[in-house]
Amino acid sequence: EDKVVQSPLSLVVHEGDTVTLNCSYEVTNFRSLLWYKQEKKAPTFLFMLTSSGIEKKSGRLSSILDKKELFSILNITATQTGDSAIYLCAGLGGGADGLTFGKGTHLIIQP
Amino acid sequence: NAGVTQTPKFRILKIGQSMTLQCTQDMNHNYMYWYRQDPGMGLKLIYYSVGAGITDKGEVPNGYNVSRSTTEDFPLRLELAAPSQTSVYFCASSAGVTGFSPLHFGNGTRLTVT
Repeated sequence: EDKVVQSPLSLVVHEGDTVTLNCSYEVTNFRSLLWYKQEKKAPTFLFMLTSSGIEKKSGRLSSILDKKELFSILNITATQTGDSAIYLCAGLGGGADGLTFGKGTHLIIQP
Repeated sequence: NAGVTQTPKFRILKIGQSMTLQCTQDMNHNYMYWYRQDPGMGLKLIYYSVGAGITDKGEVPNGYNVSRSTTEDFPLRLELAAPSQTSVYFCASSAGVTGFSPLHFGNGTRLTVT
């Protein structure tokens, strides 16, 4: 059975701090790993990673995949209160049956 | 740009009642999915469809049914609602195989069964 494990499950930091969110996966016939940000409603797409060692970057957010060690990290630098959200990691395997999601990391940024 | 639209946004059901959660997308996506999200548990796949007329079970299909008569619509049916079905339900779609085409989510339906 495919499994995606995120850590920590919750994290409280102060505005301006840098955070690293972790995601490990065991996904049969792994093809890609995705990060989503979920605020009050629907998850919104952040990154899709398919190749090892290539950093994807969007503003203060960046992510990288290690296919040998089966994990990914999501970094957020100079955090802002608007970064407060649940960050979901998901892995795609060989089937068409969608993604296997982790439980999410609940990030709270205090002013 | 509507994207994925879910109705209703909220619903309270009594045990044993039935209802249909509606989902429609206007992006001409072939792939559609239903997930449920329980607090602290991530998203669990209920059913998915790779095209009109084709549906298949996900991880937690018991107590649910789906149909896909058109590309746009993918309703989720709850028969004989139970308290264990209290959850937030998300419909999603994608253009291709999920990992190479990110999911677009609807805003969710919050269902309470009492």
